[in-house]
Amino acid sequence: AQSVTQPDIHITVSEGASLELRCNYSYGATPYLFWYVQSPGQGLQLLLKYFSGDTLVQGIKGFEAEFKRSQSSFNLRKPSVHWSDAAEYFCAVGARAQAGGYNKLIFGAGTRLAVHP
Amino acid sequence: DGGITQSPKYLFRKEGQNVTLSCEQNLNHDAMYWYRQDPGQGLRLIYYSQIVNDFQKGDIAEGYSVSREKKESFPLTVTSAQKNPTAFYLCASRVMDGNTIYFGEGSWLTVV
Repeated sequence: AQSVTQPDIHITVSEGASLELRCNYSYGATPYLFWYVQSPGQGLQLLLKYFSGDTLVQGIKGFEAEFKRSQSSFNLRKPSVHWSDAAEYFCAVGARAQAGGYNKLIFGAGTRLAVHP
Repeated sequence: DGGITQSPKYLFRKEGQNVTLSCEQNLNHDAMYWYRQDPGQGLRLIYYSQIVNDFQKGDIAEGYSVSREKKESFPLTVTSAQKNPTAFYLCASRVMDGNTIYFGEGSWLTVV
């Protein structure tokens, strides 16, 4: 069965600093990969996704992520963090279904990002 | 506006009572999902449905029940058999041949 690991529970960065949030997955083939962001008490908003093709994907709010098959990783990056980026970030994987697409997403435990002024 | 509507946003119930959380979508999405969120555990899948009148158990289905009588509605009942029902519940949906799952704003359930 597939699984997702986000090794960092909490990360604190200074405003303007760069950011990398780690995500590792366990799955035999290339899964569907997602990053979502959640503000306190709210639903999840999709930041970006990877299905195939170019391994560097661009998302909203200046985020990007790189799929590395050899490392089973899909790390999220941002060159310069803004105070409004403080939130919880979730990596998710979807196992490919026989009929195409995927049936469900499995989520990591999340990384809570704090931003110092 | 199109979207996924969950209600109520906050719900308090006494232990031993069943409670039903509503999820409605007007996006014409085929599949719908219920996730439970607890601090430090991410989201865990309770049930999902890909077509009307059919649904599958997720990883933590015990103590929960669902129905899918209409395409736009996927209510979740938290039964008295659920040992620790206090949590944040998220409903989601997607088009079957689409690749993105969209989420509602969530419902907080507190059982005292």
